[in-house]
Amino acid sequence: QPVLTQSSSASASLGSSVRLTCTLSSGHNTYIIAWHQQQPGKAPRYLMKLEGSGSYTKGSGVPDRFSGSSSGADRYLTISNLQSDDEADYYCETWDSDTPTFGGGTKVTVL
Amino acid sequence: QITLKESGPTLVKPTQTLTLTCTFSGFSLSTTGMGVGWVRQPPGKALEWLALIYWDDYKRYSPSLRSRLTITKDTFKNQVDLTMTDMDPVDTATYYCAHRVFGSSFDSWGQGTLVTVSS
Repeated sequence: QPVLTQSSSASASLGSSVRLTCTLSSGHNTYIIAWHQQQPGKAPRYLMKLEGSGSYTKGSGVPDRFSGSSSGADRYLTISNLQSDDEADYYCETWDSDTPTFGGGTKVTVL
Repeated sequence: QITLKESGPTLVKPTQTLTLTCTFSGFSLSTTGMGVGWVRQPPGKALEWLALIYWDDYKRYSPSLRSRLTITKDTFKNQVDLTMTDMDPVDTATYYCAHRVFGSSFDSWGQGTLVTVSS
């Protein structure tokens, strides 16, 4: 089963950009992942599905400020023009034989 | 528009069995490809997948919790139940149900329900 590794935290200033990384374990670098946002005290929200090619499909209502990209085993979520309500935990998810797994999450702080 | 909502007890005692219900709308579990899963999150910790069920009654369970979990569906009521036996304080968590299409990710989430395990 694939393992997803995420940095525990990231921070950036209001109006700037931040790039989060989700790294797939060895042998799984072609896997598709999904990104989910979890604001404090709220349920997760699906943001997008991201392929190894870098192609991504966003969920309904996800702002254009959110984009995805890929390089090898790394899957990225970039948030541009950072807003205060982007302060949240961000989780990546993948699956193998329809067994999902989540990364440990990255806490984003807006300075 | 897909919506899901979890319901069940907020407090259970150690060794008891927990049963949670996910009531959904906006899709049918009689439609090919449709599925519902359960994910939990202990306070301050990460998301942990528990179980999945699909339109054809195909089921998947977390290997680490397989022996304690049962997932079932009632297609006519648009409900999915999760049963977890032998509850322990470490099972204290917010439990979420979520929609999934076979072969893809979770794409819609319920609001979650906090379950506390304490005597």
